[in-house]
Amino acid sequence: DTEVTQTPKHLVMGMTNKKSLKCEQHMGHRAMYWYKQKAKKPPELMFVYSYEKLSINESVPSRFSPECPNSSLLNLHLHALQPEDSALYLCASRLQGGTEAFFGQGTRLTVV
Amino acid sequence: TQLLEQSPQFLSIQEGENLTVYCNSSSVFSSLQWYRQEPGEGPVLLVTVVTGGEVKKLKRLTFQFGDARKDSSLHITAAQPGDTGLYLCALLSGNTGKLIFGQGTTLQVKP
Repeated sequence: DTEVTQTPKHLVMGMTNKKSLKCEQHMGHRAMYWYKQKAKKPPELMFVYSYEKLSINESVPSRFSPECPNSSLLNLHLHALQPEDSALYLCASRLQGGTEAFFGQGTRLTVV
Repeated sequence: TQLLEQSPQFLSIQEGENLTVYCNSSSVFSSLQWYRQEPGEGPVLLVTVVTGGEVKKLKRLTFQFGDARKDSSLHITAAQPGDTGLYLCALLSGNTGKLIFGQGTTLQVKP
């Protein structure tokens, strides 16, 4: 199993809503990532988790709240988002000590 | 922070043409990865280059790692419409675990 599974694939939410994005992998990878990507731009790093602990927060606004409940799951909780937060949100995982990252298909988020 | 400069940013060519994408840094890489991303999908790893001077081939794609390990290139021979996508180089910062991408090259291959 070399898959990173993200749900939902598409999400439309209002600016007052609370929603969560989910990411799951069963490859035993202990490094997990959240990225934000705008059209025709590279992915921008948001958060890095290492052994279920947050190791990097790239100055992301607090309306994005990550959570790593166990070694297979990564969540991104969303609250009071702005229209400019609309983007493709990508999850990735990597074996600690390895160089190659595996990405999910992403969640296309639209904030209205 | 080590930065990657990728060029060109956009490329539109006819089917059958060849092309090269470049990825450069002022610092030495320990390794470099190339990814390809189709619209609405996540990036998919194509190759990792590790050794200076290394050349790797993946069908019509040839990847080179510079001798000084500061640059890399991706060459596509006889491009096909199925090669259309966003090509990204990336490096992993060993100390922090950050995976950082270049600006990307959007390739369009017209039939």
